[in-house]
Amino acid sequence: QVQLVQSGADVKKPGASVKVSCKTSGYTFSGYFIHWVRQAPGQGLEWMGWILPKNGATSYAQNFQGRVTMTTDMSTSTAYMELSSLRPDDTAVYYCAKDLGVGDGDYAGWFDPWGQGTLVTVSS
Amino acid sequence: EIVLTQSPDTLSLSPGERATLSCRASQHVRNNYLAWYKQKPGQPPRLLIYGASNRATGVPDRFSGSGSGTDFTLTIRRLESEDFAVYYCQQYHLSPETFGQGTKVEIK
Repeated sequence: QVQLVQSGADVKKPGASVKVSCKTSGYTFSGYFIHWVRQAPGQGLEWMGWILPKNGATSYAQNFQGRVTMTTDMSTSTAYMELSSLRPDDTAVYYCAKDLGVGDGDYAGWFDPWGQGTLVTVSS
Repeated sequence: EIVLTQSPDTLSLSPGERATLSCRASQHVRNNYLAWYKQKPGQPPRLLIYGASNRATGVPDRFSGSGSGTDFTLTIRRLESEDFAVYYCQQYHLSPETFGQGTKVEIK
């Protein structure tokens, strides 16, 4: 079955960068968009952007432009999200999620399944 | 960006009752590009409905979605214990994809 397994929790100081990984299995990695969504403690969901592994195309939400970089490693079917210049209000659980398009770069816009989430804490 | 406003913020109901959750968009959502997710504490969201009214694989038929344009509804026909959770709507008509603030369905 389709699975997305994320890296473990991390603690960073303000100004640092964090890189979260999302290892996928159970489907053809290259053809499906991977989305990143975050959730601050006790808050709602915020979409950060997507990447298409087959060609590395990305789209980032304006709120994160200039600070976020999404990449993939096709050899291990793993997606990465790096967020730089961290601030305390970046403290959140970061999720990766697979787009439910039909594959080969088709975009659906709804997400399933999701990874288990990675808590990133930004604190001095 | 499209702002989604969910109501109510909290819904207090008993098992077996019907739940009706609303999601209103700040502008027209083309082709009913709207999804609903359920999230339980400590878990990632799970897709329930896409295309406003299509149930995702494995979702019980007590969940149904309806609506078009700017007004959408998620109905849970008879609440079961596992349905008490937070529900989010999400639009994918325009980037950035946006979510509502969530409706918490709690046990009365």
